Amino acid sequence: QQQVKQSPQSLIVQKGGISIINCAYENTAFDYFPWYQQFPGKGPALLIAIRPDVSEKKEGRFTISFNKSAKQFSLHIMDSQPGDSATYFCAASSQETSGSRLTFGEGTQLTVNP
Amino acid sequence: NAGVTQTPKFQVLKTGQSMTLQCAQDMNHEYMSWYRQDPGMGLRLIHYSVGAGITDQGEVPNGYNVSRSTTEDFPLRLLSAAPSQTSVYFCASSPWTGPYEQYFGPGTRLTVT
Repeated sequence: QQQVKQSPQSLIVQKGGISIINCAYENTAFDYFPWYQQFPGKGPALLIAIRPDVSEKKEGRFTISFNKSAKQFSLHIMDSQPGDSATYFCAASSQETSGSRLTFGEGTQLTVNP
Repeated sequence: NAGVTQTPKFQVLKTGQSMTLQCAQDMNHEYMSWYRQDPGMGLRLIHYSVGAGITDQGEVPNGYNVSRSTTEDFPLRLLSAAPSQTSVYFCASSPWTGPYEQYFGPGTRLTVT
């Protein structure tokens, strides 16, 4: 059962534009929501993470927006650059119900055209 | 620090063969995990460990075994390889006791024919 649904599957953005990737979850006990970035041939790397006690977290050009009532969270990449071209994964975890497990979304392949 | 290292980088197996994927970390992390990555399916947790001597199953554990005799090493064993186990395997570790702020290794690409 896929507990974290991610969209879109692929995204093409022009340099300088805003990239938006969305995730929806089912388990209301999830309490940790990270985003990972993966370049071809490499392992994923943690980009930014949020807990449900805040609605937004910003680190540089990357922002997570969190909507607890809608059970959705999204990644916004401002001023997108060709170097941001990568696959992005959202994920979720619950200390209460899933202990030490992290559930990933399907991934979004982002291409930023110069 | 080398971080999380995985060997081999590539491996081809015949159906029915067994092998061990190696994973090591030099950051003294308690939490370690194994994922497989397949197109369109994200990363799926195979097994994880919250410390030496403690392991537990993830989402897709069938056909795989793990052990954690030291803090540094967390090998993944394929008991009898099947074509369905063709995938890219990632090992990760975390300084926490859960899957927070995980550091991933470079991956092992496994093909089972």
